[in-house]
This record gives sequence, structure tokens and C-alpha cells, in this order.
Amino acid sequence: DVKVTQSSRYLVKRTGEKVFLECVQDMDHENMFWYRQDPGLGLRLIYFSYDVKMKEKGDIPEGYSVSREKKERFSLILESASTNQTSMYLCATSNEDSYNEQFFGPGTRLTVL
Amino acid sequence: AQSVTQPDIHITVSEGASLELRCNYSYGATPYLFWYVQSPGQGLQLLLKYFSGDTLVQGIKGFEAEFKRSQSSFNLRKPSVHWSDAAEYFCAVVGMNTGFQKLVFGTGTRLLVSP
Repeated sequence: DVKVTQSSRYLVKRTGEKVFLECVQDMDHENMFWYRQDPGLGLRLIYFSYDVKMKEKGDIPEGYSVSREKKERFSLILESASTNQTSMYLCATSNEDSYNEQFFGPGTRLTVL
Repeated sequence: AQSVTQPDIHITVSEGASLELRCNYSYGATPYLFWYVQSPGQGLQLLLKYFSGDTLVQGIKGFEAEFKRSQSSFNLRKPSVHWSDAAEYFCAVVGMNTGFQKLVFGTGTRLLVSP
């Protein structure tokens, strides 16, 4: 089974702090994704990566950046956290041949005070 | 642009009753369609998927979905709901973004199961 882990289940940060959310997968998948989930809005894609050191903007990249230095690890960075970034953050992975069937981590609930 | 509509925000079903969750998509070509479930405090788990072939697909946990091209729908069904099915359900379609396929999700339907 694919295992996708996220570094924290719950995180509380203050406005202006730099925040790192880490995602690690153990199945050698090429593609990795970061979503945020908000009530009534579903999942919205922030960034994705289809290879090491490659990244592409999703639908809502503003205020975020990402890093993928190793195939198994994909980090989401909030350079200066703001209260409107309080949300659930979900990481996902997929294989090149899987028609975009994605496997999700358990999520990180981030609260910015 | 591709889109997915889940018209029901909440649905309440009695335990043992049948369930149908609605999903309508907008996509110009043949879509790849998915249903995911999210239990409280958890990530998303794939229930089933449709790529081609038989329009009635079977998934895990006793769920099935039917692809109807003429109605642009991919509704999820279960003949008898269990209390453990209470969760949020997301329909998704694969769209295209500069050559890389990405999932487009609906806004979700929260299922409540009454005793």
C-alpha cells in the first residue's frame, strides 16, 4: 500500500511566521500535490510537482512556495503566515501510469493566530 | 474549463436505507471520474474510479457508481447505509493543465446517518 505521511496533524503558528509542512511518500511516485481544504470550497490545488526540482502552480499558489529536493519528499512553505491561511492542508501522490488516481496523506490542520 | 458539481451539501439517511449522492461534471472529452471519501479527521480514500468500459463500476465498502454520458453524471450509490459510512464524499474529474492532468474536485457532500 502507498503510504503518504505528513509531518504534523495539528499546527498552530503566529501571523508572520515562516511555516514548513512536510510530506513524505514511500512508493516512488513521480507526482506530488499540495491542496488546501476549506468548508464549502472542497479541495483546491496549491502546487504540484511531477519530478524532483520541478514544480508547477496550481489554482491558488499566492502566499505559498514549494520544494522538492528528493523524489519522496515535497514541502509546502508559507513564507509569512497569515490568518487567511488557516486551513486543512492535504498532500497527495500519484504514479505516471495511474490516470491521476491520487493517494492522500492524513492532512495537517494549520491554525494561524 | 473542467468542473464538478455536487448539488447536495448535506444528506441525512437512516441506517439501512439506500443512498445516492449526485455528481455532475463538465468536460469536453471522455472524462476520468473518481469518488473519494473522507472520514472525520482523515485524508481522502479512493472509493472507485471510471476510466472506460462498463459504465457501472464497483468500489470498496459496497459502493457503486454509474457513468451516464448523456446526463454528464457519475452518481454514487449504496443499497444499505451503515453508521460507519458517515463522512464527506468528493467527486472528481481529471482535467488538463498545460499537458499535465490534474484532478478537479467537487465541493463535497457530507453524509449523516441517523439511527
